[in-house]
Amino acid sequence: DTGVSQDPRHKITKRGQNVTFRCDPISEHNRLYWYRQTLGQGPEFLTYFQNEAQLEKSRLLSDRFSAERPKGSFSTLEIQRTEQGDSAMYLCASSPQGGSEAFFGQGTRLTVV
Amino acid sequence: DQQVKQNSPSLSVQEGRISILNCDYTNSMFDYFLWYKKYPAEGPTFLISISSIKDKNEDGRFTVFLNKSAKHLSLHIVPSQPGDSAVYFCAASSGYALNFGKGTSLLVTP
Repeated sequence: DTGVSQDPRHKITKRGQNVTFRCDPISEHNRLYWYRQTLGQGPEFLTYFQNEAQLEKSRLLSDRFSAERPKGSFSTLEIQRTEQGDSAMYLCASSPQGGSEAFFGQGTRLTVV
Repeated sequence: DQQVKQNSPSLSVQEGRISILNCDYTNSMFDYFLWYKKYPAEGPTFLISISSIKDKNEDGRFTVFLNKSAKHLSLHIVPSQPGDSAVYFCAASSGYALNFGKGTSLLVTP
């Protein structure tokens, strides 16, 4: 399978714990995006990487959210001190240089209890 | 503020008929528009896109129409099939970030 891969698919955590999600983009894509989707809403843009450079992070929801893409391949999204309001589907997408179509992974469903 | 709006939360169409899904946007800087299809518990799947320099793009049973003066686009599915039942998201971009509508749930009945 050569699509975008996300791990884990589901995560249940207690409030206050830290969680980290991983995304492996399509191998030839140098652009990587993180989105969040809550019930009844469309995906909401969080952050964007071109290779290893994080070019946009102002829309990360709070300073508890951070993302990395250390070698320009896979990426991680970390949420520190999780809150119940962080419960959502976290989606990763990738696109090639110059491509406007983003291809999404299956998402990580986070439940904070 | 919602820059991309899908005002119909749901749509039901008979198999074989045309499905028309609508989308409105407010930001005149958007220059690329996309439609995604989403099944429950899966990520969105890219369907079709259109650049702002065009007013129509067709791919098999799917056609997207863009009316820039009205800031409106629509997705036509002809003929509709039961497997088309899903949530359809409209998205618009002026750079790297996609701005999504809230989606329209399409049900195609036999």
